[in-house]
Amino acid sequence: NAGVTQTPKFRILKIGQSMTLQCTQDMNHNYMYWYRQDPGMGLKLIYYSVGAGITDKGEVPNGYNVSRSTTEDFPLRLELAAPSQTSVYFCASTLLSDGYTFGSGTRLTVV
Amino acid sequence: AQTVTQSQPEMSVQEAETVTLSCTYDTSENNYYLFWYKQPPSRQMILVIRQEAYKQQNATENRFSVNFQKAAKSFSLKISDSQLGDTAMYFCAFMNTQGGSEKLVFGKGTKLTVNP
Repeated sequence: NAGVTQTPKFRILKIGQSMTLQCTQDMNHNYMYWYRQDPGMGLKLIYYSVGAGITDKGEVPNGYNVSRSTTEDFPLRLELAAPSQTSVYFCASTLLSDGYTFGSGTRLTVV
Repeated sequence: AQTVTQSQPEMSVQEAETVTLSCTYDTSENNYYLFWYKQPPSRQMILVIRQEAYKQQNATENRFSVNFQKAAKSFSLKISDSQLGDTAMYFCAFMNTQGGSEKLVFGKGTKLTVNP
């Protein structure tokens, strides 16, 4: 049972480039989330989805986009990367209120 | 909006001793869930313990237990018989079940170091 799989684990982007962070879960969870973690700031919610075809903004959505075409996949798109998007990104999923299962994270550096 | 406050940015404890990490939260809701997550240097987020607000009994998981004070909006984590492998960041988190989104709001974390 793979749980939540995130790719890539590390990436360096140049300012203005775009990329997609991939997230896949095999637990048939309806709820999926993207968080970013900055030093000393905890985790901040970027976007979330309560099911296929349904997405909504979290606390810090600017500069990001998401889609949810299937239950399993929830990719996060960064358009026109900026240094402020340097962070560690986590994808997570849950079944109701059981607590999240997290992916292993993506460390992104924008230079 | 709900907020979660962890007032101790860093703590340290000797191996085999007990340590308590503090967490307070702010909400006007009556039904919710509280969590503690551990993040070791590997960066993986690991669920430590979960508390349902409607349950008065404090949750326990082996060496980990909580002191849940609903009226005071306090949710502290006690680690007994601390082990070197407990060295990690610990995040307190709040989940409001109203609205059906199951979103987690995190505190800023407490860095715990267990010394040999």
